[in-house]
Amino acid sequence: GQQLNQSPQSMFIQEGEDVSMNCTSSSIFNTWLWYKQEPGEGPVLLIALYKAGELTSNGRLTAQFGITRKDSFLNISASIPSDVGIYFCAGQLMGSSNTGKLIFGQGTTLQVKP
Amino acid sequence: NAGVMQNPRHLVRRRGQEARLRCSPMKGHSHVYWYRQLPEEGLKFMVYLQKENIIDESGMPKERFSAEFPKEGPSILRIQQVVRGDSAAYFCASSSQGGNGYTFGSGTRLTVV
Repeated sequence: GQQLNQSPQSMFIQEGEDVSMNCTSSSIFNTWLWYKQEPGEGPVLLIALYKAGELTSNGRLTAQFGITRKDSFLNISASIPSDVGIYFCAGQLMGSSNTGKLIFGQGTTLQVKP
Repeated sequence: NAGVMQNPRHLVRRRGQEARLRCSPMKGHSHVYWYRQLPEEGLKFMVYLQKENIIDESGMPKERFSAEFPKEGPSILRIQQVVRGDSAAYFCASSSQGGNGYTFGSGTRLTVV
């Protein structure tokens, strides 16, 4: 079945450092989404990308929709302790836009040392 | 303006019992999605429903699992004769129209003992 490969699996960084994570697939997507999940809660949408090549920012977060439609990255600049959590990429396959079904990556666990 | 409400937050069932998970979508939302998350993994799509209709159930196990979204009341995910492998977090999301602009609830954590 379709799969998103997300890396790295986990990161342990110092406060103030920049963070980068990415997702790749052999399938083509028409939408890429980035979510953050904190313990005991559901995923919260951070950034949505709808066009190949699109680069979008949300505060200290920046994400891009790869030009091939098969990948996306998320950058977090100047990390702070509240950035701790699990970050998931999610994509919607080409041709499935009428259902909204999302495929999720395995997640990147981020820990920030003050 | 309440978000997506799921209950219970935690549910413990013995093997062989039934589990019923409820999801009340955001006000005005008629599209509901259910996802399952196993420990240390991402979410896996289960089913997409629009009021009284199942639109896509390609992620639902063939046996023991069913979902409904009646005209009145919450959406229900029902798991019959639960087994240990059903232990997971089950998330519901809703939207006002089909597509991926949806909001997740806080989930129900099912533990089968």
